[in-house]
Formats: sequence, structure tokens, C-alpha cells
Amino acid sequence: NAGVMQNPRHLVRRRGQEARLRCSPMKGHSHVYWYRQLPEEGLKFMVYLQKENIIDESGMPKERFSAEFPKEGPSILRIQQVVRGDSAAYFCASSSTGGAGNEQFFGPGTRLTVL
Amino acid sequence: TQLLEQSPQFLSIQEGENLTVYCNSSSVFSSLQWYRQEPGEGPVLLVTVVTGGEVKKLKRLTFQFGDARKDSSLHITAAQPGDTGLYLCAGPSRGAQKLVFGQGTRLTINP
Repeated sequence: NAGVMQNPRHLVRRRGQEARLRCSPMKGHSHVYWYRQLPEEGLKFMVYLQKENIIDESGMPKERFSAEFPKEGPSILRIQQVVRGDSAAYFCASSSTGGAGNEQFFGPGTRLTVL
Repeated sequence: TQLLEQSPQFLSIQEGENLTVYCNSSSVFSSLQWYRQEPGEGPVLLVTVVTGGEVKKLKRLTFQFGDARKDSSLHITAAQPGDTGLYLCAGPSRGAQKLVFGQGTRLTINP
């Protein structure tokens, strides 16, 4: 299966803990996007990365959230000191070339629950 | 800020009926995409419309892009229970590398 892979699919954390979400893009894709979805809502852009570079992080909260896409390995979205409001589904998408005009393909998501 | 408004937000109809959902904006988009999302899964791309006035068909689904590229519609003929899901429209944000999403239309087709 050459689709976008995300893990874990479900993650439960207590307030104050750290959450690490992983995303492996489709084979041949070097552009990764992270989105967040609250219940019964559309997706909200968080961050766009290429290998080793953050291109656009305009949708990501300035504190507690960070993202990386290293030369080797998956992209990581890291949330430090989680709060209940961080509970949401986090989706990763990838594209073969940069820019939102190119079609993005989504993974199955990680559902984060903060107790 | 470019916004996409979808209507209706919720729609529940009987199998075999026809329906149309709408995606509207006051802004021009270079293209619009439609996704379907099932519970517990990620959005799956259905179609991309690029040219104003363009019509694309995917079996019983017909997608149209408005002439001014500010709106789009999805029409389903003879809806089936398998069409149940959350339908999302999205478009590229001008000058930025991200998709702007509508809030979605949750469609339920009753047998």
C-alpha cells in the first residue's frame, strides 16, 4: 500500500504530557501538510513542510506545537504539555510537488484524546 | 481570508432520491476539490475542477464549477446508502501552500 500512513491511529494522553504524531508520505512525495479537524468541522491547515524545511507554519500555534520532516524518516507533529483543547483528529497529507494547487492525498489520521 | 461555505450542513434523505450540495465563496479560487470522508478515516479526493463552468461526472455524482470560479456544486442522482459520509469542498489559498476547507455536508442516505 503506497498511501499516506499515520501512526498511531488513536492516542490518549493526560494533560501535561507530550504527544508525537507520525506521518509517512506517499512514495515519491516530498511535500507534507498537517491539518487538524474538530468534531463536525472541516479541516484547518497547520503546517507545510518539505524535507528538512518548514515552508509555512502560519496555522500552527506558536507555543507547544512543533513539526519536522527530517531527511530520513517520517514527519513528526509534536505537541508538548497537551491540554483538553488539543483533542482532535490530526491529518497528514502529501503531494508530489509543492503548492496547494497540487492534489493532496490524506492519511487516515491520528485521533488524539486528552484526559 | 478566503472562506468556503457549504450548505446544507446536514442532509438526510431516502435511497433513490436526488440531492445537491453547495460550496460557495466570495473569493475566486484557481480550483476546487471535493473530498468524501467516512467516520474514522481521512478525506478521500473525489474530483478537482479547474476551469470556470467545468462539469465532471463520477458515476452518479456530477460536479460543477461556477463560471466565476467562486462556487461549486455536487449533485448525486439516485442516492445509495453507500453515499453516506461527510462531503468536503476545499480550495488552494491564494499565495499560500495550503487548502482551505468548507465545514462539510454530512449526508445520510436511509435504506
